[in-house]
Amino acid sequence: EVQLVESGGGLVQPGGSLRLSCAASGFTFSSYWMHWVRQAPGKGLVWVSRISPDATSTPYADSVKGRFTISRDNAQNILYLHLNSLRPEDTAVYYCVRDGIHLREYWGQGTLVTVSS
Amino acid sequence: DIVMTQSPLSLSVTPGEPASISCRSSQSLLESNGHNDVDWYLQKPGQSPQLLIYLASNRASGVPDRFSGSGSGTDFTLKISRVEAEDVGVYYCMQALQIPHTFGQGTKLEIK
Repeated sequence: EVQLVESGGGLVQPGGSLRLSCAASGFTFSSYWMHWVRQAPGKGLVWVSRISPDATSTPYADSVKGRFTISRDNAQNILYLHLNSLRPEDTAVYYCVRDGIHLREYWGQGTLVTVSS
Repeated sequence: DIVMTQSPLSLSVTPGEPASISCRSSQSLLESNGHNDVDWYLQKPGQSPQLLIYLASNRASGVPDRFSGSGSGTDFTLKISRVEAEDVGVYYCMQALQIPHTFGQGTKLEIK
């Protein structure tokens, strides 16, 4: 069974940092593209970033470029999102998503990041 | 960035009646291979989004056949042939042709 379990969210002050993790199981993690998508409270879905299986391709949304870094550990089956210089507008539930070549079928349960003083 | 515009933004439907949601993109999503890389998702209250349709018209595994997707180029439609109570939630279209991937604003479906 495919499982994606996010963790690492929490309350952080503006300007602070956080590292989100997404533990993958039930599939060959190293073969799949992965995404991060976020959702501010009561708002819609926003794509954040994507990473290729070998981590050589890592595009970002303009709103997070230069502040967030996506990475992966294929040996440990973990996807990461490093969040730096956090702003109140980064407050959201962050979801990891598996991309099976046009098939973005599996989403994690999400982890909440709250940026507030 | 490609803008995805959904309509309507809210829908109230009697159980057993059909429903339709439109999604228009600001540029063509038709690839040279004939594919339109458009997904439809349903986010039920308190849950993560779930994939309903991929490549504009392909139902994801386990999705009831009352859901169907159609369209090509810039105009796409999600249809529910007979709405059931479990279909309540917010529906999103998303384009994955270009980076950044972009979502529609969402359409909230309620049951009358």
